[in-house]
Amino acid sequence: QQPVQSPQAVILREGEDAVINCSSSKALYSVHWYRQKHGEAPIFLMILLKGGEQKGHDKISASFNEKKQQSSLYLTASQLSYSGTYFCGTPDGYGGATNKLIFGTGTLLAVQP
Amino acid sequence: NAGVTQTPKFQVLKTGQSMTLQCAQDMNHNSMYWYRQDPGMGLRLIYYSASEGTTDKGEVPNGYNVSRLNKREFSLRLESAAPSQTSVYFCASRSSTYLYSNQPQHFGDGTRLSIL
Repeated sequence: QQPVQSPQAVILREGEDAVINCSSSKALYSVHWYRQKHGEAPIFLMILLKGGEQKGHDKISASFNEKKQQSSLYLTASQLSYSGTYFCGTPDGYGGATNKLIFGTGTLLAVQP
Repeated sequence: NAGVTQTPKFQVLKTGQSMTLQCAQDMNHNSMYWYRQDPGMGLRLIYYSASEGTTDKGEVPNGYNVSRLNKREFSLRLESAAPSQTSVYFCASRSSTYLYSNQPQHFGDGTRLSIL
C-alpha cells in the first residue's frame, strides 16, 4: 500500500523552510527519500532505518518515528536547486525479508527567487 | 560511470504492438526494478528481481512480463500495448537483497512510451 505524502505541493521563496511528511498504514522498518527534477531520474537523498534516527544532508534533514509510522523531510533555508518532486519510499513487507520498495505519490516543491 | 542504462529513451507504438524495454546496470547490483510513472500517481512498481534468477510482481504487473537475463540485465516486455500503458518507465538497481540495509536505489534516465 502506497505511503501518503503531504502536502501535495508547496511553493516557497528562497531562504524559507519546508516540511514534507510521509505516513504509512503499515509498520515501517525504513524510509527512503528521493528527489526528482522535471524530466530526470529520481536521485537518492537519504535512508532512515528503524530506531527513530534523524539524518542530515547539507540543509536537508529527515526524521523517522516508527511508532507513528511516519517520516518527515526538513528543507532549511531553501535554495532554487531544491525545486523538484520529493518521494518517500517504504518497504512493502514484514521484517527484513522484502525487497519491494513502494513510493508515495510525491510532493512538488517549487522554490522561487 | 554508466550506472543504469535504459533503451530506448523514447518510443511510439500503436495499440496491439509488442515491445521490449531494455535495462542494464554495471554496478554489480543484485536487485533490479521496473517502475512506471504517471502524473499524480508517483512511481508504481511493476516487477522486480531480488537476485539473478528470480522475479516477482509489484503493484501493477498486469500487461507486462519481465526477464532477468543475467545479473546485469532486466528487460520489460509489453506483449500487446494498450493506450493505458502510455507512461514513463524507470529501471532501477540496488546492491543489497533486503531493504533493511542502507543501500539506495539507482535509477536510469527513463523510457518515454506513447501508445496510440
